[in-house]
Amino acid sequence: EDKVVQSPLSLVVHEGDTVTLNCSYEVTNFRSLLWYKQEKKAPTFLFMLTSSGIEKKSGRLSSILDKKELSSILNITATQTGDSAIYLCAVRYSGGGADGLTFGKGTHLIIQP
Amino acid sequence: EAGVVQSPRYKIIEKKQPVAFWCNPISGHNTLYWYRQNLGQGPELLIRYENEEAVDDSQLPKDRFSAERLKGVDSTLKIQPAELGDSAVYLCASSSLAGGNNEQFFGPGTRLTVL
Repeated sequence: EDKVVQSPLSLVVHEGDTVTLNCSYEVTNFRSLLWYKQEKKAPTFLFMLTSSGIEKKSGRLSSILDKKELSSILNITATQTGDSAIYLCAVRYSGGGADGLTFGKGTHLIIQP
Repeated sequence: EAGVVQSPRYKIIEKKQPVAFWCNPISGHNTLYWYRQNLGQGPELLIRYENEEAVDDSQLPKDRFSAERLKGVDSTLKIQPAELGDSAVYLCASSSLAGGNNEQFFGPGTRLTVL
């Protein structure tokens, strides 16, 4: 059974800290790994990763994929209270008519002032 | 550009009642997804449409859940009869196949509470 595991499940840090969120996966027919940020509404897209070792960066957020280790990390530097959210990792798979995303449970990140 | 639209945003019903959710994807997006998200969990795929065809409904509990996407645009997801365990947020997402972009755009979701 395909699965995506995120750690930690929750994390509380102070503003200005740097955090690293982890995602590991076991899926057949891997296509890509995606990170989403979910606040009170629907998930919003952050990054899509398909190749190992290539860092994607957007402001204070960055992410990298390791296909050998079947994992990815999401880094947030100089955290702000607005970064408080649930960060979801999802893996895109395909084959046998299936083509969708398997999500992890998410990491609930709380940034304290 | 308008995003994915869902309605209603909230729904409270008693168990054994029917309920329906509606989704209007982003214009031009061929692929439409319905997800269910339980509290503290990530979204779980229920069904995926390519235009009007349901190409992956393996996770849809077919005894009580049904979905349709007539004309390949809007979609409805129905539960009949609803059970207590169906309380969750139901998310609709859409994506375009153009260029093989995997990005899915999510709607705001419908929060269902079954009493």
